[in-house]
Amino acid sequence: GAGVSQSPRYKVAKRGQDVALRCDPISGHVSLFWYQQALGQGPEFLTYFQNEAQLDKSGLPSDRFFAERPEGSVSTLKIQRTQQEDSAVYLCASSRSGQINQPQHFGDGTRLSIL
Amino acid sequence: AQSVTQPDIHITVSEGASLELRCNYSYGATPYLFWYVQSPGQGLQLLLKYFSGDTLVQGIKGFEAEFKRSQSSFNLRKPSVHWSDAAEYFCAVGGYTGNQFYFGTGTSLTVIP
Repeated sequence: GAGVSQSPRYKVAKRGQDVALRCDPISGHVSLFWYQQALGQGPEFLTYFQNEAQLDKSGLPSDRFFAERPEGSVSTLKIQRTQQEDSAVYLCASSRSGQINQPQHFGDGTRLSIL
Repeated sequence: AQSVTQPDIHITVSEGASLELRCNYSYGATPYLFWYVQSPGQGLQLLLKYFSGDTLVQGIKGFEAEFKRSQSSFNLRKPSVHWSDAAEYFCAVGGYTGNQFYFGTGTSLTVIP
């Protein structure tokens, strides 16, 4: 597709369940980013991939959060044993290269609600 | 630590009026600066960016921003606001560590007829 695609758009899970969020970046984009956006806040960096390599995961809030991009294209963010504080919009972005001067193109996000 | 501050949580302007959204950053050197807009239920769209050179940058949708090193600011402006500009606006800085972006908490813009 022309833009970054995220699925599902909405996800409701019970506390303690595992969830998986998918990001399909723009074709050919090398870099992929995940952000967490709490209600009324700006996006906060979670992790960054260049191709299949996860170069920075310093923003992942706990070891319950795991991200992968095994073939350097589609990425999955997995949250294990979800907690209520995990409720947020999860945004994925991709950019053409790993250079900071390349704009990041964002998907519409996945809104995660933990009951 | 690097940070981004958007002092105005919410701004209301009349259609056709001018707009200025404030952004301040803290960093020892010149950062990479960005403004993004987010409509409800949508992702973020890049309005403009500043890396170096001319401190007044032009963006899409008639927006511009001015980098002022002495004030550590990167305020977003538009001469005449349209109703379709109602959205959430985020200032971001990057380039400190790898490709991380740091976003402000956003300013919500309401446009009244």
